[in-house]
Amino acid sequence: GESVGLHLPTLSVQEGDNSIINCAYSNSASDYFIWYKQESGKGPQFIIDIRSNMDKRQGQRVTVLLNKTVKHLSLQIAATQPGDSAVYFCAEKVPGNTPLVFGKGTRLSVIA
Amino acid sequence: DGGITQSPKYLFRKEGQNVTLSCEQNLNHDAMYWYRQDPGQGLRLIYYSQIVNDFQKGDIAEGYSVSREKKESFPLTVTSAQKNPTAFYLCASSMSPKNIQYFGAGTRLSVL
Repeated sequence: GESVGLHLPTLSVQEGDNSIINCAYSNSASDYFIWYKQESGKGPQFIIDIRSNMDKRQGQRVTVLLNKTVKHLSLQIAATQPGDSAVYFCAEKVPGNTPLVFGKGTRLSVIA
Repeated sequence: DGGITQSPKYLFRKEGQNVTLSCEQNLNHDAMYWYRQDPGQGLRLIYYSQIVNDFQKGDIAEGYSVSREKKESFPLTVTSAQKNPTAFYLCASSMSPKNIQYFGAGTRLSVL
């Protein structure tokens, strides 16, 4: 079965508000996590990553938070824009040469 | 212009036919991957290759075959044994399995 999942399959947010997309992972051995954004009909695009020795990492308008105690990952998008509308995937990786494991994704819809 | 190129963008398969999806990268990445994505679903790993002339089965390898004769190329063949091939196919590459995966634009395969 999948070891990565999401709490909310869809999320609607008013333009300008902040968005929070959640992800639960079940493999406590995972030490690397990535968030991807996928627009309709396109390939996933890297947003931000975080290693397990950190609990927070910030990018441009995005922040990833990692809570290893409860095996939870979140992506925060500040001042959400219509261009942020997409499906967001989290992915986890255990140490070694095994590939990433992807969650099912959350669709973010931005209401103008 | 560096990146991952998938072709064709759209592909149609007749009953009993094998079809091959192309994936080329000029990023000098060692590892390459093929994923299948069904509507509203996440990414499922078909095959991956960490180095030339070597590849491993992913979670849903049945009905598919790959080759890795060159570092830049990782073609995927959807064989007639794959009874439900209609899906969006994504190719990715990374410097190594421990690094970020970058994706191509995808090939949408349909059955006639």
